[in-house]
Amino acid sequence: QVQLVQSGAEVKKPGSSVKVSCKASGGTFSSYAISWVRQAPGQGLEWMGGIIPIFGTANYAQKFQGRVTITTDESTSTAYMELSSLRSEDTAVYYCARDCYDILTGCFDYWGQGTLVTVSS
Amino acid sequence: QSALTQPRSVSGSPGQSVTISCTGTSSDVGGYNYVSWYQQHPGKAPKLMIYDVSKRPSGVPDRFSGSKSGNTASLTISGLQAEDEADYYCCSYAGSYTPVVFGGGTKLTVL
Repeated sequence: QVQLVQSGAEVKKPGSSVKVSCKASGGTFSSYAISWVRQAPGQGLEWMGGIIPIFGTANYAQKFQGRVTITTDESTSTAYMELSSLRSEDTAVYYCARDCYDILTGCFDYWGQGTLVTVSS
Repeated sequence: QSALTQPRSVSGSPGQSVTISCTGTSSDVGGYNYVSWYQQHPGKAPKLMIYDVSKRPSGVPDRFSGSKSGNTASLTISGLQAEDEADYYCCSYAGSYTPVVFGGGTKLTVL
């Protein structure tokens, strides 16, 4: 059974960066695209970007271009999402999600448990 | 503002059917057959209910069905049950530049 296990909750100061990890088990890591989706308190789902591990190239939502970096480490089957220049509006639960395919389609069949990132001075 | 437009809320009584719409453009919903629907209960991660417009993952009841006409996709839930009360999100492939877009979400209330 595929599992995505994310790192724990973070509290960050405005202007700093956060790096969240997502470790996959039970499947072939490099065969599927991985995306990061966030959800601010009381708000909807927002796609931030994704990566196809076998190619290593990431694609980001325009809103996050220049602030987000998504990477993978195939040796540990782990994906990472780093968000910089944090502001209070970045307070949200961040999810990693595995695409059903080896391309980014928005079909997410497995999700991590979510990581709460709180940005506060 | 979300890329895909969904009604903020819908409601229905147990046993009834409800349909949630998801309107996009020819650059996303209308242009590809990669439309997915997610169910999210409070405090939980989203769950895939429909993918590729109308396919159901294993384990999802056949009360859930999806369709698409032009730039609008729809999720229909028949035989409503109390446990169907949740938030529902549509999602579509939108091309190689920004591949994935979500709808704003619809809160389903079972009366």
